Amino acid sequence: NAGVTQTPKFQVLKTGQSMTLQCAQDMNHEYMSWYRQDPGMGLRLIHYSVGAGITDQGEVPNGYNVSRSTTEDFPLRLLSAAPSQTSVYFCASSRSGTASYEQYFGPGTRLTVT
Amino acid sequence: RKEVEQDPGPFNVPEGATVAFNCTYSNSASQSFFWYRQDCRKEPKLLMSVYSSGNEDGRFTAQLNRASQYISLLIRDSKLSDSATYLCVVKGIQGAQKLVFGQGTRLTINP
Repeated sequence: NAGVTQTPKFQVLKTGQSMTLQCAQDMNHEYMSWYRQDPGMGLRLIHYSVGAGITDQGEVPNGYNVSRSTTEDFPLRLLSAAPSQTSVYFCASSRSGTASYEQYFGPGTRLTVT
Repeated sequence: RKEVEQDPGPFNVPEGATVAFNCTYSNSASQSFFWYRQDCRKEPKLLMSVYSSGNEDGRFTAQLNRASQYISLLIRDSKLSDSATYLCVVKGIQGAQKLVFGQGTRLTINP
């Protein structure tokens, strides 16, 4: 099993550009989530999904969209990139449709917005 | 007040020492508690779940104090490989499928 994979590993965007961060898992996990990690802030939840077709907002959803058309994939879209979105983005998944179990994280995407 | 608070450190301790971290949480209805470990420029990985009765995994012991709303992590006989950032994680109230992460405590074990 590859676990949780994320692409790209690194990305530089100009202000106003849009892009999609990809996340996929091959463990048949129902629960998937996106976090951003900034120095001194810890990981903050952006969006999460408890199963295909179901998504909900986390703590910092503004400027981001998600969809969950399949169990395996949970892409994160930046609509119009801003310098404040410079961060490390982690995707995670866990079994069942809850956050009560071990979260498996992908390796992260390091995004810089200039 | 942050939902989950940790002392960011850094903690610098000699190899073989015992070190302990605390983490406080603000929501008394919180359901589940975890410690994750994150190495530099890597993704977080589960270290251990924290149960009401306390639990131990080798050199690591986790405790939960619901009355005072804190969880703790004790590392005995610390190794160089224990150097990492330790993240306290709390799951909110029933039905809220969200995890809240503390900012992490940075630990360096010195030879």
